[in-house]
Amino acid sequence: ETGVTQTPRHLVMGMTNKKSLKCEQHLGHNAMYWYKQSAKKPLELMFVYNFKEQTENNSVPSRFSPECPNSSHLFLHLHTLQPEDSALYLCASSQDGGATDTQYFGPGTRLTVL
Amino acid sequence: GQNIDQPTEMTATEGAIVQINCTYQTSGFNGLFWYQQHAGEAPTFLSYNVLDGLEEKGRFSSFLSRSKGYSYLLLKELQMKDSASYLCAVRDGNYQLIWGAGTKLIIKP
Repeated sequence: ETGVTQTPRHLVMGMTNKKSLKCEQHLGHNAMYWYKQSAKKPLELMFVYNFKEQTENNSVPSRFSPECPNSSHLFLHLHTLQPEDSALYLCASSQDGGATDTQYFGPGTRLTVL
Repeated sequence: GQNIDQPTEMTATEGAIVQINCTYQTSGFNGLFWYQQHAGEAPTFLSYNVLDGLEEKGRFSSFLSRSKGYSYLLLKELQMKDSASYLCAVRDGNYQLIWGAGTKLIIKP
């Protein structure tokens, strides 16, 4: 499945670095999502964009900053992260965020914060 | 609070059948999803149930009982490639997806 791509696949950064994660979907969808996946924990929804407008921000710390320039691209800007932010960051997209919507995921970025 | 429960890990034998259970307590219900996730890869959509009953898709079937807050994923004729984590997710009354922590399925020859 190459409908949703994410780069980089792996990222190691120090606590003072600034980096960005990129997600691109080729499915013609209008909704995009950022999730955090930590070992043995449920997926944590971070942000939702629907038709380029942010519709959800689940009390995410300001050191995570999303950007959605168009319906196909989603970024997650990272700065002054903490070691506990180390996790797999997944991007997903869906048709329009509606009731019967199915989300399709990218392969994720494995982030390690030193 | 809202909660999804599924076993942390299960082991089964190649060629056999395994049933992965998911129970949920949510504020409202608008459908239940199952996803498969191989290690280091994207979760991939397997099934969606919104009405009670069994949905069959090849070797995989998913069952839902809304009155019991219960679903299961049934995998038949297990293959080594079925070794993966299986994620259960419920869309609640506000159309938010609530996720379980996943069940790691280990297939042995």
